[in-house]
Amino acid sequence: GAGVSQSPSNKVTEKGKDVELRCDPISGHTALYWYRQSLGQGLEFLIYFQGNSAPDKSGLPSDRFSAERTGGSVSTLTIQRTQQEDSAVYLCASSFNTGRAKPQHFGDGTRLSIL
Amino acid sequence: AQSVAQPEDQVNVAEGNPLTVKCTYSVSGNPYLFWYVQYPNRGLQFLLKYITGDNLVKGSYGFEAEFNKSQTSFHLKKPSALVSDSALYFCAVRDENFNKFYFGSGTKLNVKP
Repeated sequence: GAGVSQSPSNKVTEKGKDVELRCDPISGHTALYWYRQSLGQGLEFLIYFQGNSAPDKSGLPSDRFSAERTGGSVSTLTIQRTQQEDSAVYLCASSFNTGRAKPQHFGDGTRLSIL
Repeated sequence: AQSVAQPEDQVNVAEGNPLTVKCTYSVSGNPYLFWYVQYPNRGLQFLLKYITGDNLVKGSYGFEAEFNKSQTSFHLKKPSALVSDSALYFCAVRDENFNKFYFGSGTKLNVKP
């Protein structure tokens, strides 16, 4: 597949549990973004990775949220001690970042439901 | 500060009629502007972009958008709407000086037969 791949597509878990969401970007894309979308609403920026630079974590809502990008490719978003307000669709996107004109390519998201 | 506004939560149009989805932006440098479409249970799909040059840009599925620098707007248009165009549309801006994208809140387009 040539697109951005996210897994799992759906995740249901109990309040207080930790969850890991995975994003496999398009090969060769140096930039990777995580967004949160609640109930078909707008996109809330979470975190941005660009190559080997320090990530921009300015959108992470609390210290329960963290993300890693290993080897400049796959990324994992981790939410610890989940709360019901964490329920949302988590979208990952990647792009070439050699030029600002490059659009983002999105995965289909992980729909997270906290019981 | 960089921002995007989509003033309409929802736009309703009859099939065959022209449609417009509005977007205004605010950036500190030259804007790179994008439109995306989202179908249910899917990620966002790129439609078109404005970087420089002609103010009218054409994109996928017959959509086009008009860049207006004086009004800081980038409205999405289509001459003849299809029922299959019904979806959620997002405008986004990227400042030439920064790497982040800023998205509007989205506009739900309903095209009725």
